[in-house]
Amino acid sequence: DGGITQSPKYLFRKEGQNVTLSCEQNLNHDAMYWYRQDPGQGLRLIYYSQIVNDFQKGDIAEGYSVSREKKESFPLTVTSAQKNPTAFYLCASSLTPGLAVFFGPGTRLTVT
Amino acid sequence: AQTVTQSQPEMSVQEAETVTLSCTYDTSESDYYLFWYKQPPSRQMILVIRQEAYKQQNATENRFSVNFQKAAKSFSLKISDSQLGDAAMYFCATMKQGAQKLVFGQGTRLTINP
Repeated sequence: DGGITQSPKYLFRKEGQNVTLSCEQNLNHDAMYWYRQDPGQGLRLIYYSQIVNDFQKGDIAEGYSVSREKKESFPLTVTSAQKNPTAFYLCASSLTPGLAVFFGPGTRLTVT
Repeated sequence: AQTVTQSQPEMSVQEAETVTLSCTYDTSESDYYLFWYKQPPSRQMILVIRQEAYKQQNATENRFSVNFQKAAKSFSLKISDSQLGDAAMYFCATMKQGAQKLVFGQGTRLTINP
């Protein structure tokens, strides 16, 4: 089946630790995105990538890093510099800008 | 900058009836796209409907349709024959042409009463 997978579904970390969230897509989409969702709020863009080896900061990139070494993969690292990392993280992809953006199932990160 | 406003934090409707969710947006762009996404309790974001701003015809997907009023910058979602499975958070979003960023509203929680 074609789609976007994110793992794990739930992730727990201690404060001060870096953590990497996985995102893989087999839709052959060029563009990939990371969004953050906080309770009762819409989604905010963290990073996006249009092609391999290229990525751009979104609105809330501080404390996060990404890589795009393969078209299918766009992992997100939440670093210890992120002040409020506990949130729901959604990965997404699209064939070209303006076309439908499809989302993965999300990862719930809890940092204590 | 683009902004999206959903003025109804919560809505409820009886099963089989029709409900309309409101969305207004602000943009200085002439070419952009509008979307409605559904987020059920599983939290998976599901695309419901998409509208290109240059098209006057309102988009329709089965029981879902939009009322797109470009001059008023309004993009409401109508759900006909509401079903229990329609219960979810609904997000309105916009993206300017050539951009990579979806700008989301705060969402409307829709409850379906049996």
